[in-house]
Amino acid sequence: GNSVTQMEGPVTLSEEAFLTINCTYTATGYPSLFWYVQYPGEGLQLLLKATKADDKGSNKGFEATYRKETTSFHLEKGSVQVSDSAVYFCALTGANSKLTFGKGITLSVRP
Amino acid sequence: DTAVSQTPKYLVTQMGNDKSIKCEQNLGHDTMYWYKQDSKKFLKIMFSYNNKELIINETVPNRFSPKSPDKAHLNLHINSLELGDSAVYFCASSIGTASLQETQYFGPGTRLLVL
Repeated sequence: GNSVTQMEGPVTLSEEAFLTINCTYTATGYPSLFWYVQYPGEGLQLLLKATKADDKGSNKGFEATYRKETTSFHLEKGSVQVSDSAVYFCALTGANSKLTFGKGITLSVRP
Repeated sequence: DTAVSQTPKYLVTQMGNDKSIKCEQNLGHDTMYWYKQDSKKFLKIMFSYNNKELIINETVPNRFSPKSPDKAHLNLHINSLELGDSAVYFCASSIGTASLQETQYFGPGTRLLVL
């Protein structure tokens, strides 16, 4: 079945540091890949997505590229802010648009 | 305007009780979902409905029964609540299920605590 593996957390960074959160996946067919973000006490929001190989999703300074050869969708941001502190989930869609999530990783950004 | 709304936001109840969580979306979507997020933040799909028809039914105890009176609403009824049911339950919706590219839009969550 489909699965998503995220790097272990939590991650703590200083403001303006570079961020990479690793995500790899196992899937049949050609899934779409997503990053969702959950701010404290809130629901999930779509951060970005990519629907086919070599696509790059981007939003709010975050980027991720759909790499079929390495089955990866790593999230990056050049300069994080305190307001980026949240839980980040990598996910993919399978049959019937079923979303399979990674375990999530908590990011804390210090001023 | 809230796109996907859930009530209640918090629910504290005793073991053995029966409770319901309601979800409504005003996006005109055909498909709705229920997810469970455990204490370690792990998210897992429970059910999905497309235009009131059950599409996905994961290995969820039959104490959980979803009901979709119309395509804008998907409620979750839980019988005989157990301690392990304590979690955050998220409702979501999407345009449909035909494309793997569909984005799902999530509600704010219902935090259920069973004592």
